[in-house]
Amino acid sequence: QVQLKETGPGLVQPTQTLSITCTVSGFSLTSYYMQWVRQTPGKGLEWMGFIRSGGSTEYNSEFKSRLSISRDTSKNQVFLKMNSLKTEDTGVYYCARDHILWPWDAWGQGASVTVSS
Amino acid sequence: DIQMTQSPSFLSASVGDRVTINCKASQNINRYLNWYQQKLGEAPKLLIYNANSLQTGIPSRFSGSGSGTDFTLTISSLQPEDVATYFCLQHNSWPYTFGAGTKLELK
Repeated sequence: QVQLKETGPGLVQPTQTLSITCTVSGFSLTSYYMQWVRQTPGKGLEWMGFIRSGGSTEYNSEFKSRLSISRDTSKNQVFLKMNSLKTEDTGVYYCARDHILWPWDAWGQGASVTVSS
Repeated sequence: DIQMTQSPSFLSASVGDRVTINCKASQNINRYLNWYQQKLGEAPKLLIYNANSLQTGIPSRFSGSGSGTDFTLTISSLQPEDVATYFCLQHNSWPYTFGAGTKLELK
């Protein structure tokens, strides 16, 4: 059974770094791209970036300077790190898997993040 | 960036009604459009991929059509469990972009 689950800190202070882990089961990270998306009150759903099945990454230029996506295939985990957080980064962060034959077919439930002092 | 304009933002319909939701892309995205259903606190659920392919396990009352810039999600006979927010995603080219969502309620 395919499962994706995001875990994060819940509350982060402004200027700090956000770290979220997406733990997957039922498929291999070496066979799928993994996408990151966020949903904020101000901008709705925004694509953040992805890590390819081979391990290379692409980022939305909106976040490029402060975003990093990586993975540990041995632990079936994908990581999102974003620095210099602002209050407008408050929202829900999702990971989703992506394949050329089954594009964006499974998502996690999301990790809710509040940026506040 | 490709802008996705989704309409309507809000829709109220009765059980058994035929419901249509639209997404319009600001430029050609071929057939690289997905439709999702999202209920509060749940993961988005893929309904339709590549404009008109029904995802495995999704009831046949859901269908998708369109290509290029204009796309439609149709629910042929609305059921109570279809109350949710629906959104589209273009995955033709990055930055991938989303429609703003349609909140569907029962009349």
